[in-house]
Amino acid sequence: KQEVTQIPAALSVPEGENLVLNCSFTDSAIYNLQWFRQDPGKGLTSLLLIQSSQREQTSGRLNASLDKSSGRSTLYIAASQPGDSATYLCAVTMDSSYKLIFGSGTRLLVRP
Amino acid sequence: DAGVIQSPRHEVTEMGQEVTLRCKPISGHNSLFWYRQTMMRGLELLIYFNNNVPIDDSGMPEDRFSAKMPNASFSTLKIQPSEPRDSAVYFCASSSLQGAAYFGPGTRLTVT
Repeated sequence: KQEVTQIPAALSVPEGENLVLNCSFTDSAIYNLQWFRQDPGKGLTSLLLIQSSQREQTSGRLNASLDKSSGRSTLYIAASQPGDSATYLCAVTMDSSYKLIFGSGTRLLVRP
Repeated sequence: DAGVIQSPRHEVTEMGQEVTLRCKPISGHNSLFWYRQTMMRGLELLIYFNNNVPIDDSGMPEDRFSAKMPNASFSTLKIQPSEPRDSAVYFCASSSLQGAAYFGPGTRLTVT
C-alpha cells in the first residue's frame, strides 16, 4: 500500500530565505506526482504536476524535482515571501485513474 | 473557466438529517473525485467517477453515503442519516486528461 510522507510537518523561516520541502513515497511505481498549496479554510491549489517520466517542473519561484527510484520529491521555493505561508501537500497517483494519495502536508510560515 | 464549483460552502445540520453536497466540475474534465478532509485522517478519497460512471467507491465509509453523477457537469454526495462523526470538509475535484487535479473550495459540514 502506497504511503506518502512529508517532513517536516511545520517550518518557520524568515522572509527571503530559499527553502526545500520534502516528500517521500514507499512505492516507486507512481504515475505522477502533484504539489498543492492549501490556505487556511480554503481548497487546494495545484502548483506543479510532474509526470513519472519527468525529473522536474518549474513555475516562477517554485521548482519541483522527482527521483522515482529513491521515492522522493522536493519542492524548492526561492526567495520566500510572507504570502507563501500556507500548507503544502504532496500527492501521488498510481495509474491513469488519477486517484490522489496525499501526504499529511508541511505547514510553512514565512516571517516578515 | 470558473474552476470547480461546490455548494453549499457551509452546512450545519442536526444528527439524523439528510445532507446533500453539490459539485460542478471543470468543463471538459472527464474524471471527478470526492475527498474528505479531517484533522485526524487528512485527505481521504471517497469515490471516483470517470465519464460519469462510478469506478471506485471503496472509500465511502458506510451505506449512509451515496454519490451520483447524472451528467458531465454535475455530481452530488449525499449523507443519510448524518452523524456527528461525518463533520469534515468535503472537497470535489476534477482532472484533465493530463492528470492535473483541480479542487473546489470545499463544503464545511458540521453535524450536531
